[in-house]
Amino acid sequence: GNSVTQMEGPVTLSEEAFLTINCTYTATGYPSLFWYVQYPGEGLQLLLKATKADDKGSNKGFEATYRKETTSFHLEKGSVQVSDSAVYFCALRSTGNTPLVFGKGTRLSVIA
Amino acid sequence: DSGVTQTPKHLITATGQRVTLRCSPRSGDLSVYWYQQSLDQGLQFLIQYYNGEERAKGNILERFSAQQFPDLHSELNLSSLELGDSALYFCASSVASGTVSHNEQFFGPGTRLTVL
Repeated sequence: GNSVTQMEGPVTLSEEAFLTINCTYTATGYPSLFWYVQYPGEGLQLLLKATKADDKGSNKGFEATYRKETTSFHLEKGSVQVSDSAVYFCALRSTGNTPLVFGKGTRLSVIA
Repeated sequence: DSGVTQTPKHLITATGQRVTLRCSPRSGDLSVYWYQQSLDQGLQFLIQYYNGEERAKGNILERFSAQQFPDLHSELNLSSLELGDSALYFCASSVASGTVSHNEQFFGPGTRLTVL
C-alpha cells in the first residue's frame, strides 16, 4: 500500500539556520505530494504541494521538489524563523478524490 | 480560517460512553474526511463521505460510525469509548472531482477527545 516516511524529530534549530526535513514515499502510479503544517493548538494547513515529477512547490520561503527517481519530497527553507516552530507532515494522495496518507510528522523548534 | 468548522472543540468523557463529533465542510465542498491524530498512531484516515454516500474506509473501528447529512454536514459517532480513543479528531473537506488528484483538503481545527 501507499506510505510516507519522514525523518524523526524533534528538530531544533537556531533562527536563520537552514532547514531540511526528509520525506520519502511508496506509491503506485503518480501520486500528488503535499506538506502540511500544524501550529500549536491548531488544525493542519496546506503549506505546499506538487502534482507531478520535477514540480517544485513553494510557499512562505519553504520549497520541496517532487523527485520521482528517488521517490522523495524533501522540505527545505533557507532561513527559519521562530514563527516556523510547528509540526510538519508530509503526505501523498494517489488518484482522484482520495484520502491523504500522512507521515508521522516532524516537530520543529526554532530558538532565537 | 479554513472554512471547516468542528464542534465541540474539547470533549471529556468516561470509558464506555458514546459521543458525537460534528463537522461542517466549506461551502460547496461535497467530500468530507475524518482523521484521527494520536501520539502513537500519528494521523490516520478513518472514513470519507461524498455527497451523503460513504466513499472510502480506513482504519475505523467497528465501534465508530459516521454519516453525512443532506446539508453536507457530517457526524462521527464513537461508542463504547476506551482510554485509547483519546485523540484529536480532524475533519477535512474538499471539492469533489473524481479525476483530479491534487484537490486540496481543508482541515478543521479538530475536536480533542479525552476519555477518562
